[in-house]
Amino acid sequence: NAGVTQTPKFRVLKTGQSMTLLCAQDMNHEYMYWYRQDPGMGLRLIHYSVGEGTTAKGEVPDGYNVSRLKKQNFLLGLESAAPSQTSVYFCASSYTNSGRVTYEQYFGPGTRLTVT
Amino acid sequence: AQSVTQLGSHVSVSEGALVLLRCNYSSSVPPYLFWYVQYPNQGLQLLLKYTSAATLVKGINGFEAEFKKSETSFHLTKPSAHMSDAAEYFCAVSEHYNQGGKLIFGQGTELSVKP
Repeated sequence: NAGVTQTPKFRVLKTGQSMTLLCAQDMNHEYMYWYRQDPGMGLRLIHYSVGEGTTAKGEVPDGYNVSRLKKQNFLLGLESAAPSQTSVYFCASSYTNSGRVTYEQYFGPGTRLTVT
Repeated sequence: AQSVTQLGSHVSVSEGALVLLRCNYSSSVPPYLFWYVQYPNQGLQLLLKYTSAATLVKGINGFEAEFKKSETSFHLTKPSAHMSDAAEYFCAVSEHYNQGGKLIFGQGTELSVKP
């Protein structure tokens, strides 16, 4: 099992450009999450999904959009990148056990994004 | 809303010394609690979790944590630090009764281990 994978690993964008980050998991997890990590601020939740075709806003959703067309994939889009979106982005997935949420999240290796 | 506080953004210990990383949460209702470790340029890896069973939880790499409801704490310890323990450690708490399985993360504590 590859677990949670993220593409790309690094990216440099100019202000105003757009891009999509791809997250894939092969563990058949129902829930998926996108976080950003900034120095001294821990991880902050951008958007999340509790199942195929459903998404919801997290703590810092502005400037980002997401889609979950397939259970194993969760895409994060930046329509018009800004320097404030320079960060490390992590995807995570989680599962239920007998229908109950476990809260146990598995993380990908991250995407380091720089917006100039 | 839940919150998590990790005391000390940097902790330095000598190899072989006790490691103690502190975490306090805000909820009056016992949540699920987690410790994650992040090695440089990697994602987060689950160290251990508390899910309302035993209050002393053992994790990987010799780490353990004790849930203390009266102190709303979940401190992480290891009796003897190893150089390979140098990393950033995050405490996380579940948002109680939320439907999204969401976690709230602390700001992280960077652990340095001196030879």
